[in-house]
Amino acid sequence: EPEVTQTPSHQVTQMGQEVILRCVPISNHLYFYWYRQILGQKVEFLVSFYNNEISEKSEIFDDQFSVERPDGSNFTLKIRSTKLEDSAMYFCASSEAAVLRTEAFFGQGTRLTVV
Amino acid sequence: AQKITQTQPGMFVQEKEAVTLDCTYDTSDQSYGLFWYKQPSSGEMIFLIYQGSYDEQNATEGRYSLNFQKARKSANLVISASQLGDSAMYFCAMREGGGNQFYFGTGTSLTVIP
Repeated sequence: EPEVTQTPSHQVTQMGQEVILRCVPISNHLYFYWYRQILGQKVEFLVSFYNNEISEKSEIFDDQFSVERPDGSNFTLKIRSTKLEDSAMYFCASSEAAVLRTEAFFGQGTRLTVV
Repeated sequence: AQKITQTQPGMFVQEKEAVTLDCTYDTSDQSYGLFWYKQPSSGEMIFLIYQGSYDEQNATEGRYSLNFQKARKSANLVISASQLGDSAMYFCAMREGGGNQFYFGTGTSLTVIP
């Protein structure tokens, strides 16, 4: 069964460093998302991406965040200067379409720890 | 206002019994979709079931069913014949007709007791 894959599964970084979280969405999907889940809290939307551009973003997705689809298969989330509060599980998701009944398929997540 | 509210942080159920996980939602859209996801301890998010705002029948997928009460804006998940492998976090989510992001609740941790 096709799946969304994320690498790495766990990343530890020093405060102020840049990190890039990588995702390979399901190949025929057109819509891509990043969500994050701070430990013990709800899953929060960061950004959605379609047709090589951001289609929606949340307040959390400020100037320190960026997304890119560099080569037609990978979808990356870059955090330029990490803060302690960026520590969370980051989920990549993809969906075939943006119609209501289309579920998003989630990757296994990258646990980011900022120290 | 919260888009999705899950008021049960933790639930316990005896193996083979049925359990209902509550979810209420808030939207002014007429067209929306409601989803339930399961998150086992390994962390991945697994899609379980979908209910559309215009669907007249309650959704069912195997042991999962959705008790959709539109007037009350509730979309409770019913798991029948609970199994030990059902122990996980369960998230209710909504997608509104005008956008493509999913709004998630805070989740309910379900523990199935042998």
